[in-house]
Amino acid sequence: AQKITQTQPGMFVQEKEAVTLDCTYDTSDPSYGLFWYKQPSSGEMIFLIYQGSYDQQNATEGRYSLNFQKARKSANLVISASQLGDSAMYFCAMREESGYSTLTFGKGTMLLVSP
Amino acid sequence: DAMVIQNPRYQVTQFGKPVTLSCSQTLNHNVMYWYQQKSSQAPKLLFHYYDKDFNNEADTPDNFQSRRPNTSFCFLDIRSPGLGDAAMYLCATSGKTGGVNEKLFFGSGTQLSVL
Repeated sequence: AQKITQTQPGMFVQEKEAVTLDCTYDTSDPSYGLFWYKQPSSGEMIFLIYQGSYDQQNATEGRYSLNFQKARKSANLVISASQLGDSAMYFCAMREESGYSTLTFGKGTMLLVSP
Repeated sequence: DAMVIQNPRYQVTQFGKPVTLSCSQTLNHNVMYWYQQKSSQAPKLLFHYYDKDFNNEADTPDNFQSRRPNTSFCFLDIRSPGLGDAAMYLCATSGKTGGVNEKLFFGSGTQLSVL
């Protein structure tokens, strides 16, 4: 079974609008971490935001926030006030306590921001 | 700025001709990773080093080898590249705690073409 599922191959949003990118995960570990990375066409993976399984509050980093629903095993990324530079691939990833040093990625969502 | 550097950015090799990809880091991180990312797919972990301790993923082909002569450098050797090995190869590092919140720092990747 896939550990990380991103069901949206592509998303379109207009500049200045908010967009939500979906991510669900599967683990039996009580302790795990969830990450979102952005990959522009240049190829580099850029860290955006982190959510720990024991964190009580949803993580926020500037225009990025993570809608963490533990019971539903979902960790959706919300980008507010989209900018043209947000056009990129977005990957959700998970690190489990039992899988030391291994970060497992979902298949990604391509986001296109239009003027 | 401290960073992860991959050279070259683009590499073209011939079918069956050995090729080496390079990665260096100035973060002084203990853990270094190699991921393979094929077009429109999630990055797939090939192997990682914790200091000099080499950890191979179970499904990594024998055709792929790695060397880490010191903390700063790590190499990916493909002994006999096939057409199916054409991909983006991403190098990443992380600190030594191994905790679930340990994020990965990525290089810009090397895009490998096999002719």
